[in-house]
Amino acid sequence: RKEVEQDPGPFNVPEGATVAFNCTYSNSASQSFFWYRQDCRKEPKLLMSVYSSGNEDGRFTAQLNRASQYISLLIRDSKLSDSATYLCVVFNTGKLIFGQGTTLQVKP
Amino acid sequence: EAGVAQSPRYKIIEKRQSVAFWCNPISGHATLYWYQQILGQGPKLLIQFQNNGVVDDSQLPKDRFSAERLKGVDSTLKIQPAKLEDSAVYLCASSLERRGLGGYTFGSGTRLTVV
Repeated sequence: RKEVEQDPGPFNVPEGATVAFNCTYSNSASQSFFWYRQDCRKEPKLLMSVYSSGNEDGRFTAQLNRASQYISLLIRDSKLSDSATYLCVVFNTGKLIFGQGTTLQVKP
Repeated sequence: EAGVAQSPRYKIIEKRQSVAFWCNPISGHATLYWYQQILGQGPKLLIQFQNNGVVDDSQLPKDRFSAERLKGVDSTLKIQPAKLEDSAVYLCASSLERRGLGGYTFGSGTRLTVV
């Protein structure tokens, strides 16, 4: 079983749609949680940290459920520029562990 | 602030040849990581340095991969001999502290193709 599991998609949505990505992690001792964004043929970049209380950054909302070992990312009012791969990431055993990534394609 | 520098950007080699990648982290970042990203997968940690010491190399195929970080700044990753399955993007990242709470900053990567 992978340590961090994500649906690879792709998710194809029209502009303005709301889309949600989920991921699960296997190690209950994981300490920190993040979403990274990776554009095609580019390096991953930190999008936002994820907390149990939930956190919001503009159109992006992230949520952590420690009991279910589940992390989510909600994107509202999707833009063409949101097209990318979204990587779910957990920190445990001293390192960042990345999921496979979920590909989002926003269509006009 | 200058980012993480990596070179070369692209490399094509034949199997059984050797190759080396170079990384210069952000100034002052004590922790340096080498990740391997195979097409369609997330990055996988190969090795982690704290200053010039190895913290974690549990997923580094040590029969063919080696890495060093002399003087705790620049780092090189070497593959010898290369196999077809080593075709991937090799990403170097650095962080101010090990927990990476401020995020890791990645370089642009070196895209390796083994033919």
